[in-house]
Amino acid sequence: AQSVSQHNHHVILSEAASLELGCNYSYGGTVNLFWYVQYPGQHLQLLLKYFSGDPLVKGIKGFEAEFIKSKFSFNLRKPSVQWSDTAEYFCAVNPGFQKLVFGTGTRLLVSP
Amino acid sequence: EAQVTQNPRYLITVTGKKLTVTCSQNMNHEYMSWYRQDPGLGLRQIYYSMNVEVTDKGDVPEGYKVSRKEKRNFPLILESPSPNQTSLYFCASSLSPENANTGELFFGEGSRLTVL
Repeated sequence: AQSVSQHNHHVILSEAASLELGCNYSYGGTVNLFWYVQYPGQHLQLLLKYFSGDPLVKGIKGFEAEFIKSKFSFNLRKPSVQWSDTAEYFCAVNPGFQKLVFGTGTRLLVSP
Repeated sequence: EAQVTQNPRYLITVTGKKLTVTCSQNMNHEYMSWYRQDPGLGLRQIYYSMNVEVTDKGDVPEGYKVSRKEKRNFPLILESPSPNQTSLYFCASSLSPENANTGELFFGEGSRLTVL
């Protein structure tokens, strides 16, 4: 079945550690790819997106993501996390049809 | 301030008691959508609307109804709620369906519903 997979459900890091959250999708053809973030008690916000071009995209707050077409992956990275990055992160795919398909989310806890 | 407003934010109800979760946006957006968020399942789309009087089913529409009589409002109706509809619900809007495709969604703050 077509889906979006986030393999890490919970991640705990210390401040200044590097972060990489995995995202794989199973849709064929051209897709738009996104990462959203949900800080505690807040609504979802768009972190970054990829449509085409340079497979390495930069978003807000020092986050970046790399699209690897051959692996159907769109992993999120940050070189050095901060306590304020504690949040839930969702990968999403738009396969067209005015629809976003979300992954199951990864809860990141950054300890000071 | 541009926003998507949902009400109520928290609700505890009982099985079978009809309820409506309202969603209103003040950005003159054409596209609106409802999602439910459940642990381990992420966000799943319930219904969406591309404009006034135009609605369509998402991935999990069973047990829900929607209407889009005005551009700004997109209420979610649970005619006979059941415990499996206990969830966190998010309304989202976008300037147009095309903008929705590009991920430019504005989300409300969520409505946490518990059905006993």
